Amino acid sequence: GESVGLHLPTLSVQEGDNSIINCAYSNSASDYFIWYKQESGKGPQFIIDIRSNMDKRQGQRVTVLLNKTVKHLSLQIAATQPGDSAVYFCAESVNQAGTALIFGKGTTLSVSS
Amino acid sequence: DTGVSQNPRHKITKRGQNVTFRCDPISEHNRLYWYRQTLGQGPEFLTYFQNEAQLEKSRLLSDRFSAERPKGSFSTLEIQRTEQGDSAMYLCASSWGLAPETQYFGPGTRLLVL
Repeated sequence: GESVGLHLPTLSVQEGDNSIINCAYSNSASDYFIWYKQESGKGPQFIIDIRSNMDKRQGQRVTVLLNKTVKHLSLQIAATQPGDSAVYFCAESVNQAGTALIFGKGTTLSVSS
Repeated sequence: DTGVSQNPRHKITKRGQNVTFRCDPISEHNRLYWYRQTLGQGPEFLTYFQNEAQLEKSRLLSDRFSAERPKGSFSTLEIQRTEQGDSAMYLCASSWGLAPETQYFGPGTRLLVL
């Protein structure tokens, strides 16, 4: 699988590979994190979320890892498919409710078959 | 469709004109957010409502921008005297307002100011 240690604006993988997208968040007080997928011309689509009292959460083909020590978040996509091609954003918020989401820099994932 | 809807999807206007966008949130959601997204960037927060009350505004929301949510359901975002720098995607999101608060986004309105 393809992985990146630091945030990169683009990631190219082959269909079937595992993808890892990284995100560094800014606020040590942030306690809720969301990954969104955004396809061209569309709004961000919720993928998976995680609270700060967890360090890992799994969904269908996706896993989010949270490392609060280094303020780092990652999204792992298993068996990447062409339909996964999109821009992926991580977002953070404080107090989990009633505040604006702060979005990180997006990563464009390109999946070739 | 029970998701967040926005209208229009695209708007082209001339500099100096006023424009208004509408957002219809998911029906049970009491919080509604507006964000702006420019090309290659993540969304940036503009303002949010809890029911009909506007509770927070970003410094990005200049006095040419006004948002309303009169009955606590749909919301409108108006930009007066548009400038070329207002060209962006305007996104609306809604949530139940219960922690943890997942915000669900609409498809956005893409504005081009000529």
